[in-house]
Amino acid sequence: KAGVTQTPRYLIKTRGQQVTLSCSPISGHRSVSWYQQTPGQGLQFLFEYFSETQRNKGNFPGRFSGRQFSNSRSEMNVSTLELGDSALYLCASSQKAWGSSPLHFGNGTRLTVT
Amino acid sequence: AQKITQTQPGMFVQEKEAVTLDCTYDTSDPSYGLFWYKQPSSGEMIFLIYQGSYDQQNATEGRYSLNFQKARKSANLVISASQLGDSAMYFCAMREGRSGSEKLVFGKGTKLTVNP
Repeated sequence: KAGVTQTPRYLIKTRGQQVTLSCSPISGHRSVSWYQQTPGQGLQFLFEYFSETQRNKGNFPGRFSGRQFSNSRSEMNVSTLELGDSALYLCASSQKAWGSSPLHFGNGTRLTVT
Repeated sequence: AQKITQTQPGMFVQEKEAVTLDCTYDTSDPSYGLFWYKQPSSGEMIFLIYQGSYDQQNATEGRYSLNFQKARKSANLVISASQLGDSAMYFCAMREGRSGSEKLVFGKGTKLTVNP
């Protein structure tokens, strides 16, 4: 079974631009979550989708948005990029709506904003 | 207040020895789950082990075991017979039942180095 696939692996953008990151979950997984990882703040929850509906959102500005498609694939968008948005963005999927099922993470997209 | 605390920024262990990575948590939710993940330098987060708040026994997965002390709110990861490939960042995370979601709250992590 293929794992969680994130594209692209690396991105370099300049301040003010926008970026879209893509995530394909494990086949059969309907829940997709996004996390931002930085050396200073660690791993922080961005948002979570289940069956195309956003179930939960972290404490991030409105510049960060996401969506999930009917095939469970998800995208996240960051508009008006700032230097502080440089981070590793991790997508995770899980099989159940809740419970003991672990999140399975992708390799991440490393975004650098210059 | 931090919900997950990992007090060891870095740990060193000799190959083939056992090592314990500490994790304490804070929640008032009676239903919660605790997870440990490994993150090699490549960046991928690898699930290691899970412990539910109502589980009576400590979880084990191969060389990984979880020392769950509910009254102390601690969930330490024990790695037996360390291998060079165990060198990585290790994160403790919690999922609270009342969140009604898959959201995980992570600790800051512990960098484990296995010496030959």
